[in-house]
Amino acid sequence: ETGVTQTPRHLVMGMTNKKSLKCEQHLGHNAMYWYKQSAKKPLELMFVYSLEERVENNSVPSRFSPECPNSSHLFLHLHTLQPEDSALYLCASSLTGFNTEAFFGQGTRLTVV
Amino acid sequence: QKEVEQNSGPLSVPEGAIASLNCTYSDRGSQSFFWYRQYSGKSPELIMFIYSNGDKEDGRFTAQLNKASQYVSLLIRDSQPSDSATYLCAVESNNDMRFGAGTRLTVKP
Repeated sequence: ETGVTQTPRHLVMGMTNKKSLKCEQHLGHNAMYWYKQSAKKPLELMFVYSLEERVENNSVPSRFSPECPNSSHLFLHLHTLQPEDSALYLCASSLTGFNTEAFFGQGTRLTVV
Repeated sequence: QKEVEQNSGPLSVPEGAIASLNCTYSDRGSQSFFWYRQYSGKSPELIMFIYSNGDKEDGRFTAQLNKASQYVSLLIRDSQPSDSATYLCAVESNNDMRFGAGTRLTVKP
């Protein structure tokens, strides 16, 4: 248990569905992140929030929409996804920015059919 | 394009041997360097971090950083079967974090 909890653990959705991934951290951290992990590819940083403000958006398609209502919660809203979006989506948090240790959640295994 | 390169492996070592994992990076402005371990089906967890040139030791693990040559390595002494996992190198520069694709290590009893 890392103190970062993601739900759901598994999700299967059709290309026309809308779903949301949830992440919650109980560590008192100020930064939260969404990463995408595909087979045999490096972890890809998608979004960064620091003190609830988005500070990074690595050219992620608009079908992924993040939301950070407070410093403990992070959401990733999904709509009209493509099969190539199937991957493990990992949430992480750190005390401050990238130069501090990141704690990862267990991830959501997403399959788009 | 900032790149972080790792040999994907698999790297196989016998129990008790030293496992050496290497990582190179392209951005000379990189400041912080991390090694994460990821067991199959699990999320990454931090093993070591290093900021300065030289060696940093923590138990059986030693991280080595050479900024001039732009590489960072992780040595695991007295390797155990429980060390079998994928090791991810991560490099931070200018508020951006890049991961390598990981090296899969297998320690055989």
